[in-house]
Amino acid sequence: NAGVTQTPKFRVLKTGQSMTLLCAQDMNHEYMYWYRQDPGMGLRLIHYSVGEGTTAKGEVPDGYNVSRLKKQNFLLGLESAAPSQTSVYFCASKRGELSGYTFGSGTRLTVV
Amino acid sequence: TQLLEQSPQFLSIQEGENLTVYCNSSSVFSSLQWYRQEPGEGPVLLVTVVTGGEVKKLKRLTFQFGDARKDSSLHITAAQPGDTGLYLCAGAENYGQNFVFGPGTRLSVLP
Repeated sequence: NAGVTQTPKFRVLKTGQSMTLLCAQDMNHEYMYWYRQDPGMGLRLIHYSVGEGTTAKGEVPDGYNVSRLKKQNFLLGLESAAPSQTSVYFCASKRGELSGYTFGSGTRLTVV
Repeated sequence: TQLLEQSPQFLSIQEGENLTVYCNSSSVFSSLQWYRQEPGEGPVLLVTVVTGGEVKKLKRLTFQFGDARKDSSLHITAAQPGDTGLYLCAGAENYGQNFVFGPGTRLSVLP
């Protein structure tokens, strides 16, 4: 049981480049999330999904887009990367409203 | 928007010592969770509390939810190096709402 798998684990982008972060879960969870983690600021919610085909904005959605075409996958896109998007990105899923989050191991993104 | 504060920000102790870390907010939570995060990994859920005054124990870890459901504490007895990590609390104001995370307490337990 792999849980939540994120790819890639590391990436360096130049300002203005685009990329997609991939997240896959094998637990049949309905809810999926993308967070970014920056020093001293905790985890901040970028976008989330409450089911296949649905997405919603979180606390810091600007500069990001997401898609959830299949229940097990949640994709995070950066259209035009900026240095302010340098961060560690975590994908998470959970079964229900009071359930705990299961997190992936993160993607460390550096934008130069 | 609720704001979660955690204290202390950093804590370094010797193996065998006891410690308590805190999570506070001006908002009332419907539920609160604690996570531990190790370097290079994602956070891992430790506990969920939902009732004011609730106390939960997980081996040497004791979690308490404040009576007013605005705060929580995590007490570790006889800390071990394996307890080293970033401890995060996360709260939801309303059932079904997304949880908001605090900035964390970074604990280092020295052998």
